[in-house]
Amino acid sequence: DAKTTQPPSMDCAEGRAANLPCNHSTISGNEYVYWYRQIHSQGPQYIIHGLKNNETNEMASLIITEDRKSSTLILPHATLRDTAVYYCIVRPYSGGGADGLTFGKGTHLIIQP
Amino acid sequence: NAGVTQTPKFQVLKTGQSMTLQCAQDMNHEYMSWYRQDPGMGLRLIHYSVGAGITDQGEVPNGYNVSRSTTEDFPLRLLSAAPSQTSVYFCASSYTRGGGVGTEAFFGQGTRLTVV
Repeated sequence: DAKTTQPPSMDCAEGRAANLPCNHSTISGNEYVYWYRQIHSQGPQYIIHGLKNNETNEMASLIITEDRKSSTLILPHATLRDTAVYYCIVRPYSGGGADGLTFGKGTHLIIQP
Repeated sequence: NAGVTQTPKFQVLKTGQSMTLQCAQDMNHEYMSWYRQDPGMGLRLIHYSVGAGITDQGEVPNGYNVSRSTTEDFPLRLLSAAPSQTSVYFCASSYTRGGGVGTEAFFGQGTRLTVV
């Protein structure tokens, strides 16, 4: 799986959009970008994933650059409950998520009141 | 659906003891896996299974055994506990859509294990 690089920590004001960057310059053509988060040592929670088009769901938006070498997770209106460690993971499309996700250290997002 | 259920939530073992961490999912998912998370670190894959009767090693398999006799259950066995196995253990499951397209993984709430 391709390696990812994320900032170790970020702050965001409550109610503002939180933009979390991820670099994955060695991504291959068949690899998706997945985002998970982990709130206070709970089990990780899936947020969103995408291949090359921008994606949006009820939790977040995922913007992938045209060359696919980086992406940004956007939480449109951050709340205190969004304080968590966010993991950007790149993996092939096949096999689902439970046959091997490579977690780095992620970005610790702190939402400030 | 209960999702992914892990038991116990907390456990203290003495060095050399053996035990089994239980993981069950009620979503009929093909894939299941075990991870460990040490303080300040990301999760590391221990073992995984792509279906009943099929298991494989992950990044850190030493000291752990697994088996997958049913789709629902994927127990993790510690053969002879060591202090280095003190960690939080997470179980996960997922499935594939048509064409092998992967989906998200669902995680349990973790088992916090201390080996003294």
